[in-house]
Amino acid sequence: GQQVMQIPQYQHVQEGEDFTTYCNSSTTLSNIQWYKQRPGGHPVFLIQLVKSGEVKKQKRLTFQFGEAKKNSSLHITATQTTDVGTYFCAGNHNYGQNFVFGPGTRLSVLP
Amino acid sequence: DARVTQTPRHKVTEMGQEVTMRCQPILGHNTVFWYRQTMMQGLELLAYFRNRAPLDDSGMPKDRFSAEMPDATLATLKIQPSEPRDSAVYFCASGTYRGGSGNTEAFFGQGTRLTVV
Repeated sequence: GQQVMQIPQYQHVQEGEDFTTYCNSSTTLSNIQWYKQRPGGHPVFLIQLVKSGEVKKQKRLTFQFGEAKKNSSLHITATQTTDVGTYFCAGNHNYGQNFVFGPGTRLSVLP
Repeated sequence: DARVTQTPRHKVTEMGQEVTMRCQPILGHNTVFWYRQTMMQGLELLAYFRNRAPLDDSGMPKDRFSAEMPDATLATLKIQPSEPRDSAVYFCASGTYRGGSGNTEAFFGQGTRLTVV
């Protein structure tokens, strides 16, 4: 079946360090979304990428969609304690179908 | 501020009891999802509806789970009978499917934390 994998599963960083999580799909994606879930909270939408090779930025967050539309990455520059949480990618393999969520990367930021 | 509303927020029940979780999607959204989240399995899609019609419920144990949308403002997820392994956080999410553009973002409710003892 269609699978979306994420690495790493966990990441502990010192405040101010950079962080990257990678998302890989077994099949080509129509688009990909990224969500953040704070501890005890619910997933909150961050961004959607649609085009091959697309790069989008939100302040310290940079999102990238691979040329083959099978992988994506989220990079956080100079992490802050407010970045703590689990970051999920969600791949849409065909327009109109549901998103398949990756297992998430849990980020801890040590002050 | 539009949001997805789920009730109850917490539920503790005894094994064998029926559990009903409710979700009010955002008005105007045509797609509703039910997810289950556990530490071991992450976010699992249980079922989703478009324009109130069930499109996929393959992630749901059919013998004990059922999902319905009696109207556009209410989605329900029912477990009967409940078992300890059903303990998890159940999220409802809604969004909009726009034909060739695919799905827009999913807005999640705050979840129902279910504990079956």
